[in-house]
Amino acid sequence: GQQLNQSPQSMFIQEGEDVSMNCTSSSIFNTWLWYKQDPGEGPVLLIALYKAGELTSNGRLTAQFGITRKDSFLNISASIPSDVGIYFCAGQLTGTASKLTFGTGTRLQVTL
Amino acid sequence: NAGVMQNPRHLVRRRGQEARLRCSPVKGHSHVYWYRQLPEEGLKFMVYLQKENIIDESGMPKERFSAEFPKEGPSILRIQQVVRGDSAAYFCASSPPSNVFTEAFFGQGTRLTVV
Repeated sequence: GQQLNQSPQSMFIQEGEDVSMNCTSSSIFNTWLWYKQDPGEGPVLLIALYKAGELTSNGRLTAQFGITRKDSFLNISASIPSDVGIYFCAGQLTGTASKLTFGTGTRLQVTL
Repeated sequence: NAGVMQNPRHLVRRRGQEARLRCSPVKGHSHVYWYRQLPEEGLKFMVYLQKENIIDESGMPKERFSAEFPKEGPSILRIQQVVRGDSAAYFCASSPPSNVFTEAFFGQGTRLTVV
């Protein structure tokens, strides 16, 4: 089935560094979402993107919806220890009511 | 994800037994979605329900799996005759009648282990 590829798969960074991760698809999406999942918890929505080219910020997070509608990136500035977790992109396919296709995830670990 | 309650949080079943997973949506939400997450993978859509109706079950395995969202009570995901491959985390999300998924919240999940 449809799959979104995220990169990198995992990353170790130092506190205070900026982080960038991206998500690519072979299909067009009309909505891109970025989620964070902590161990043992469900995903929590961070940012939603609705239009190609859109750039949206939420605190230290910035995400962009690619012009081709087949990719998106998420940046985290000045990382802190609580940024640790798995970040998932998710796309909503054109024509579907609600179901999301999730990416493979980027595991972020922040060292002091 | 406040408000979506899933229980149990952890469930252990022997091969061949039945597993029942419950999801109580946020009060006022009439749309429920079930997703499955295998270890080290992203979530995969299973089924989308509204009260008393299955809207989209394109992600549900053809056999042994069923879901319902009755007029009263929680949504139930039922897995009959479980096998080891069913071991996964099962997440439920709910959204309001506007059906905008960005207003949906996920529960904490039920972790099913089949031994």
